[in-house]
This record gives sequence, structure tokens and C-alpha cells, in this order.
Amino acid sequence: DGGITQSPKYLFRKEGQNVTLSCEQNLNHDAMYWYRQDPGQGLRLIYYSQIVNDFQKGDIAEGYSVSREKKESFPLTVTSAQKNPTAFYLCASSKGDGELGYGYTFGSGTRLTVV
Amino acid sequence: ELKVEQNPLFLSMQEGKNYTIYCNYSTTSDRLYWYRQDPGKSLESLFVLLSNGAVKQEGRLMASLDTKARLSTLHITAAVHDLSATYFCAVDKANFGNEKLTFGTGTRLTIIP
Repeated sequence: DGGITQSPKYLFRKEGQNVTLSCEQNLNHDAMYWYRQDPGQGLRLIYYSQIVNDFQKGDIAEGYSVSREKKESFPLTVTSAQKNPTAFYLCASSKGDGELGYGYTFGSGTRLTVV
Repeated sequence: ELKVEQNPLFLSMQEGKNYTIYCNYSTTSDRLYWYRQDPGKSLESLFVLLSNGAVKQEGRLMASLDTKARLSTLHITAAVHDLSATYFCAVDKANFGNEKLTFGTGTRLTIIP
């Protein structure tokens, strides 16, 4: 079955560490996205990518970095510059073409905690 | 900057009652989405509304879109406990190409037996 896989499900980061969250999709979707969700809050866009080797900053990109070397993969690195990284991170993909309104398919999320 | 506002933020209602969640957005868009999130889980797509006047129904949930008023509603009919969840609306602000959704703050719905 096609879908999006995020790993790990839970991740603990020490102060000053960089950590990388994995997101892989086998839906053949062109676009991929990373969102951050804080408790009781909505989703805020961190980065998005519409094609391989290209990505754009979202609303809260500071302290994060991404790469898109393969269509299937869009890893997110939370760097030590991100001062408050504890949150639930959601990866999503889209078939594209907003005219047809496919919407997003979401992964199951990674819960990151600073210890 | 596109802003998407939902109200109420919290809703506690008894089983069997009807209620409506509202989603207002600040810029022109013809594409609006509704998602459901259970505690600690990911988001599940409920409805995609692609034009003014669009109405979609699934079970006890019905969503509608008024692009002129920049308003979407999610109506719950005869609520049951299984509908307890957080509901998000999202608006696509991309004029063409890949979608780029801005999400509302969510409405946490609790159905009381």
C-alpha cells in the first residue's frame, strides 16, 4: 500500500544536538511538506518542496534545514539553532495540481522532546 | 498574509445534538479542506471543497463553502461519541501548481454521552 512513513515515532534531543527526522513516500507525489504542531495549536509550515533538488522556506524555517535529493525522501534536520524544538512534527505530500484539489496525505508524525 | 480562523476553539456537546464549526479566511481562495485529528495521531482528510457553493456530506458531517463570504462550515448532525476529535480547516493559497495549505487553529470537539 502507498503512503508516507515518518521515523522515528519518538525522538529525544539533548541541548546543542542536531537531529534528523525521516520522511519517505511511495505515492509518487511531487510535493512534500514539513509542519510543526505545538500542543493545542494548529499546524505551522516549516519547509516545502515542489520538485527534487528544490525547496522553499515556510513560515517558521529558522533553526531547521531540509534536503530533497530524491523524489521519495524529504528529511528534516532540527539544528541546535532551534531554541524550542519540542513539538509534534508532521510530514505531508501532495500529488500536486491545486486545480484538482487532491489535498495532502500526512505521515504519522514524530514527537520530538528536548531532554 | 493568509489568516485562517476557526471558531469555536473548544466545543463540548451532548450526544444527539447538532452544531456547526466555522472557518473564516482572509484572502481569496477556491479550495478549502477539512481534516480530523485524534489525540496523538496524524491528520485524516475529511472533505475537499473546490468551488463556491460546494457541499459535501459523509455520515453525520456536512461541509460547505462560500467563497464570497470566505467562510466554510462543518455541520455535525446528531453527534455521537466517535466524532470526538480536533477538526482543522485548511485553505490553499497557491494560485497554481502544487497546493500550499494554511491551517486554522483547530476546533477540539468533545461529545458527552
